[in-house]
Order: sequence, then structure tokens, then C-alpha cells
Amino acid sequence: NAGVTQTPKFQVLKTGQSMTLQCAQDMNHEYMSWYRQDPGMGLRLIHYSVGAGITDQGEVPNGYNVSRSTTEDFPLRLLSAAPSQTSVYFCASKRGDRGRNTEAFFGQGTRLTVV
Amino acid sequence: AQSVTQLDSHVSVSEGTPVLLRCNYSSSYSPSLFWYVQHPNKGLQLLLKYTSAATLVKGINGFEAEFKKSETSFHLTKPSAHMSDAAEYFCVVSGSNDYKLSFGAGTTVTVRA
Repeated sequence: NAGVTQTPKFQVLKTGQSMTLQCAQDMNHEYMSWYRQDPGMGLRLIHYSVGAGITDQGEVPNGYNVSRSTTEDFPLRLLSAAPSQTSVYFCASKRGDRGRNTEAFFGQGTRLTVV
Repeated sequence: AQSVTQLDSHVSVSEGTPVLLRCNYSSSYSPSLFWYVQHPNKGLQLLLKYTSAATLVKGINGFEAEFKKSETSFHLTKPSAHMSDAAEYFCVVSGSNDYKLSFGAGTTVTVRA
């Protein structure tokens, strides 16, 4: 049982390049989310999904796309990387049984630098 | 809407002394509350969660938190700090939409030998 797996762990991009951050979970969780972590700001929600085929925007969606074709996978795409997207990215999954006390499980993070 | 305020950005304690991390929340609904810990260059690990069954919640590694509705607070404590407690701690709230989590800005804990 691997939990939430993110790849890659580190990435350096040039401004304007595109890339996809991968996220997979093996817990059959309905909810999946992407967050970015910046110093002094906690984690901010980029996009989320409440099930396969359903996605929506969070607090800071600009410059990012997501899709969810399966329950297990929730990739995050950077369309045209900008230095402002330098951050640590976390994927999370959560059971979606309306039990509002269920906790989220996080991946190990992807440290992205855009130069 | 929901939000979280962590009142201290940095806390420094001596090994063996108590730790107090303060968190206030705002929520239109009866909230779900969590504390997560992040060790350097690691992911987030759940310390404890408020389930509404009891106002005093015990978590892993000797941490506990007390839910006070009248004060809208969920402070995290540990009676005796250990060097391994040096990390960043996040207070998290979810409201009516339990797939959306709101994070505090985090509190960095330093433990002095």
C-alpha cells in the first residue's frame, strides 16, 4: 500500500516550458487535490476533484490544468511555466464518504524551480 | 467560508519543556479540525483530528489539542519537547465542503538542546 505517490520529486524548468506533475493513489479515495506550498503562506488549493471526470478550481488555479480520467490518477499540468510557479507542490487524497472528519493523505511533494 | 490563523510563525523551546502552538479558526459550519506536521523536505503527516466526540484530542508522539468552541480555538500542546519535534506544524480546517481544506500559515518549532 503505497498511499499517495508523486513524481518527479525535483524539477527545474525554463520559463515557457510545459510539464506534468504526476499523482497516483491506491486507497480508492474519491477526493484528490493539488496544493502549492510557499514560505509563510501554508498550503493553497490549486485544483481539486471529487471523483473521476469531475474537477474544479481552488484558490490559485491560474496557469494550471487538471483532469481525472481514473479514480487513481490526478495529474497537474503547467501550461507555460513562469518563475512565480516556483514552489513545492503536494497532491492529497481523501475518502469521500461525507464523514467530515476523514483526514487527507499527502504525497512527498514535488519541488519545482522555474528559471 | 472558513479560515485558520496560526498565531505564532515561530516557536523556540528547550528540550524537555512544554510546547504550545496556537490556532484560531473561523467557519460557518461545525468545523472539522486537524493538525499536521511536516519535517524538513518531507510530506505532511497527520498528528490528530477533532471528531466532535471529545473536546480534548490525543494524537501521536504525545501531542494533544483542545477544541474550544467559545474561543474558536484548537491549540496544540505537548508536555515535554523532544529534539525530533523540530518541524513545521499546520492547523487545518474543513467546513461544509469537506474536500476543501484551509491551512494556516504554519508554525516552525525549534528545539534547543
